[in-house]
Amino acid sequence: AQKVTQAQTEISVVEKEDVTLDCVYETRDTTYYLFWYKQPPSGELVFLIRRNSFDEQNEISGRYSWNFQKSTSSFNFTITASQVVDSAVYFCALSEARNDYKLSFGAGTTVTVRA
Amino acid sequence: GAGVSQSPSNKVTEKGKDVELRCDPISGHTALYWYRQSLGQGLEFLIYFQGNSAPDKSGLPSDRFSAERTGGSVSTLTIQRTQQEDSAVYLCASSFNRNRGRGGYTFGSGTRLTVV
Repeated sequence: AQKVTQAQTEISVVEKEDVTLDCVYETRDTTYYLFWYKQPPSGELVFLIRRNSFDEQNEISGRYSWNFQKSTSSFNFTITASQVVDSAVYFCALSEARNDYKLSFGAGTTVTVRA
Repeated sequence: GAGVSQSPSNKVTEKGKDVELRCDPISGHTALYWYRQSLGQGLEFLIYFQGNSAPDKSGLPSDRFSAERTGGSVSTLTIQRTQQEDSAVYLCASSFNRNRGRGGYTFGSGTRLTVV
């Protein structure tokens, strides 16, 4: 069974600090997909990034970057130079290729960015 | 519409009553998903519709839960004989089928259901 663990429950930072969110996953499949979603106070889940299991290249997209390491089953996410608008709950999620429409979410990490 | 629309946004119901939750996906999106977000269980997959294919109902927690999608568009999630543990936010999402595995879902703002 697939499982996603986000050990950090809450993170509070001051604006312009960097924030790194940890995510550890478990799956028996060799092909899978990893995601980060953001849930602002308005409630809708907003898709941020996706990574395939066969692509470990780490990238930067604006203020977002991620570190995917299969050896440690981790998919960490960093917000650089945080802003107040980044305050939200962030979810890591996993889907397996055979049922790629079925996301398994972590418990979420609440990020509060203070001005 | 521009986004996924869910109604009602809030629903308070008495234990034992039936409720219907509605989801209007983005026009042209053939795939539709229901998820539930509760304090105890986090975010859970409930059901997936793709076009005219048989839905994947494997996430529905009990036979009190059912869902349908009429005309490949609007979807209704029905909970019969509601229980207090059904209290949660029910989230609907839609996507083009080719985005199914790419995470490019658009979620609605959800229906907050409270069973008293």
